[in-house]
Amino acid sequence: EAEVAQSPRYKITEKSQAVAFWCDPISGHATLYWYRQILGQGPELLVQFQDESVVDDSQLPKDRFSAERLKGVDSTLKIQPAELGDSAMYLCASSFGTAGTEAFFGQGTRLTVV
Amino acid sequence: DAKTTQPPSMDCAEGRAANLPCNHSTISGNEYVYWYRQIHSQGPQYIIHGLKNNETNEMASLIITEDRKSSTLILPHATLRDTAVYYCSRQSNAGKSTFGDGTTLTVKP
Repeated sequence: EAEVAQSPRYKITEKSQAVAFWCDPISGHATLYWYRQILGQGPELLVQFQDESVVDDSQLPKDRFSAERLKGVDSTLKIQPAELGDSAMYLCASSFGTAGTEAFFGQGTRLTVV
Repeated sequence: DAKTTQPPSMDCAEGRAANLPCNHSTISGNEYVYWYRQIHSQGPQYIIHGLKNNETNEMASLIITEDRKSSTLILPHATLRDTAVYYCSRQSNAGKSTFGDGTTLTVKP
């Protein structure tokens, strides 16, 4: 069964350092999402791509976060510099379309900033 | 507020139906209602979604009120493996999902 792949699964970094997460969506899925999930809360959308274009990044803290999906396939989310409050699970999801279609989530990357 | 509202926790006896409520009183007419569940340390797993009509699949049933301000996810015969956090979300036409803080369902033997 096809899956959304994310790496690394776990990352510990010191504050002020740079960190990057990678996501490979299910083949053929044009829509890719990055979510942040703080412990005890639901996922919060950071950025949505349609192919290589950003559709929604209204909740992305652009002073320190960046995301790209250069060839419309895999994607990278970067944080520079990391802050203590960035400790969370970072989830990638993909879907074939948008409204009314199922989103498939990866296992996530658990980030701890120390 | 565009968030959905769910009770923080619920218990259910094994073999009985689990009914999980969600309030989405400010939902727009073209927004879908989605349900996902999440087992510790894994990504959310899709369960079911609907727009206006009630829906059923092999996992669950979704009941949406006529005014669309609330919905209920029904797991007809809960098993111990259904213990998880269940998230209700609303999804816009553009695909953006807004999640609530979830309900922790504990199925007890």
